[in-house]
Amino acid sequence: DQQVKQNSPSLSVQEGRISILNCDYTNSMFDYFLWYKKYPAEGPTFLISISSIKDKNEDGRFTVFLNKSAKHLSLHIVPSQPGDSAVYFCAARYNNNDMRFGAGTRLTVKP
Amino acid sequence: KAGVTQTPRYLIKTRGQQVTLSCSPISGHRSVSWYQQTPGQGLQFLFEYFSETQRNKGNFPGRFSGRQFSNSRSEMNVSTLELGDSALYLCASTLWASGDSDTQYFGPGTRLTVL
Repeated sequence: DQQVKQNSPSLSVQEGRISILNCDYTNSMFDYFLWYKKYPAEGPTFLISISSIKDKNEDGRFTVFLNKSAKHLSLHIVPSQPGDSAVYFCAARYNNNDMRFGAGTRLTVKP
Repeated sequence: KAGVTQTPRYLIKTRGQQVTLSCSPISGHRSVSWYQQTPGQGLQFLFEYFSETQRNKGNFPGRFSGRQFSNSRSEMNVSTLELGDSALYLCASTLWASGDSDTQYFGPGTRLTVL
């Protein structure tokens, strides 16, 4: 069962513009959400997270927004840079149980 | 501090065989989780070990098993391999100390191909 969904397999944006990656989930028990970035031939690296008690968390160019009523979260990257080109995975967990990942969105930032 | 290491990096097996993959977590990390990554399913959780005990388990058949040693190194085993087991298997380690329970550090993965 796909409890975490990333419906856009790919996204292409121009350097300097905003990248918005979306993620939807179905399990209302999830209380912690994370974004991971993955380059080819490397394992995913942690990017940013948000607790369900918040609706926004910001870290430099990266901001994650959480809309619990819509069971939706998004990752904003502003401004986008070519080095941001990677696959981004959305993940969710509850009570420190196993994480559920989305299928990933491949972001391409064009110079 | 060295990162998470996984061996081997690449593996080719045939159907029906079994395979053992190894993961060495970051020094001092006590939790090791295993994930399977396939193009269609994304990252799927296999199981998590903490202090040599399996603490969580995902929805995979019993052919997938694992263990953790006293030095926190972990192995996962897949028996009676099927074509659909071809995937990238990722290991992640977590410190599990206060304030750091959420960040997992992933290894580079083992690419398993089943022919």
